[in-house]
Amino acid sequence: NAGVTQTPKFQVLKTGQSMTLQCAQDMNHEYMSWYRQDPGMGLRLIHYSVGAGITDQGEVPNGYNVSRSTTEDFPLRLLSAAPSQTSVYFCASRVSWGQETQYFGPGTRLLVL
Amino acid sequence: GIQVEQSPPDLILQEGANSTLRCNFSDSVNNLQWFHQNPWGQLINLFYIPSGTKQNGRLSATTVATERYSLLYISSSQTTDSGVYFCAVGNTGNQFYFGTGTSLTVIP
Repeated sequence: NAGVTQTPKFQVLKTGQSMTLQCAQDMNHEYMSWYRQDPGMGLRLIHYSVGAGITDQGEVPNGYNVSRSTTEDFPLRLLSAAPSQTSVYFCASRVSWGQETQYFGPGTRLLVL
Repeated sequence: GIQVEQSPPDLILQEGANSTLRCNFSDSVNNLQWFHQNPWGQLINLFYIPSGTKQNGRLSATTVATERYSLLYISSSQTTDSGVYFCAVGNTGNQFYFGTGTSLTVIP
């Protein structure tokens, strides 16, 4: 199994540009989520999904959209990038919500100029 | 949400020393994990431990859920243990909350 994969590894955007961060998992996990990590801070939850077609907001959802059309994929969209969205983004998955270990992808480093 | 506090924020150890990292949380939880973020940024699962004690090699962890804290023990530290250690918790909601981490540096 590849586990949780993310693309791209690194991206530079200009303010106002849009982009999609890709996340995929091959473990048939129902629960997937996106986090951002800023310097000196822990990870903060952006959006999550408990299954295909079901998404919800986390702690810091503003400026981000998600959708979940398949169990495997959970893309994160920035519609109009802002410098405040410069961060490292991690995707994670687990079997289902509850008493399960969460697995993280390698991260996407995003710089918005 | 649940507040998660980790201590100490920074720790410098000589290789071979032992250490204890602490995680306090503000509400009851049914999910608690310890992660190691290595210098390349990868998050590595260490323990899933909402209660009780677990051991894996030189690492062990204990969670006392009734008192809302968890401890991570690192024995005979090695330079490869360097990085940031995060505690993260969740309860009956669908959200998962991270502490700000303990940055560990092990010097040879």
